[in-house]
Amino acid sequence: AQRVTQPEKLLSVFKGAPVELKCNYSYSGSPELFWYVQYSRQRLQLLLRHISRESIKGFTADLNKGETSFHLKKPFAQEEDSAMYYCALSGRSGYSTLTFGKGTMLLVSP
Amino acid sequence: EPEVTQTPSHQVTQMGQEVILRCVPISNHLYFYWYRQILGQKVEFLVSFYNNEISEKSEIFDDQFSVERPDGSNFTLKIRSTKLEDSAMYFCASSSQGPNTEAFFGQGTRLTVV
Repeated sequence: AQRVTQPEKLLSVFKGAPVELKCNYSYSGSPELFWYVQYSRQRLQLLLRHISRESIKGFTADLNKGETSFHLKKPFAQEEDSAMYYCALSGRSGYSTLTFGKGTMLLVSP
Repeated sequence: EPEVTQTPSHQVTQMGQEVILRCVPISNHLYFYWYRQILGQKVEFLVSFYNNEISEKSEIFDDQFSVERPDGSNFTLKIRSTKLEDSAMYFCASSSQGPNTEAFFGQGTRLTVV
């Protein structure tokens, strides 16, 4: 069975501080990992995915197969980064069904 | 920018009643999904739909649930006889291709069963 674990419900940091949102997964095959973000009163939207290896809004995430992790990082948090962040896994070929973690609320204070 | 739209934004229904949640996926997308999020819990997959049939469903998607694409634009989720535990935010999503492509989500419909 595939599972995504986000151990922190809430992460509170000050503006300019580094941020790391943790995500661990369980999957027997080769997973596709994503980070989705939901800003206040907005829809879920894709932030980044591991195969693209992009940096979006200063965020990066590296897939570590040995540790089965896909932590989201940003060196300097901004207030506008405050949102709910969901790590998700797609492991089945043919359909991009997503298994989500419970989400981590990131609060960036001035 | 094209968006997935869902109606209504909030639906209140009595236990045992049927509800239909509506979604208009992005027009050139081929894969459609329903997810739900019970308050305080994770977003959970319900069902995926491709080529006019269900391609995958979770154990949550029992006989009380059905999906339909009645015309070229709408994608609906029907709950035949609602239960209190069906109260949740229901998200529709669509993607242009199947595996490993970005799913675009709607704003969600908050279903409250009383």
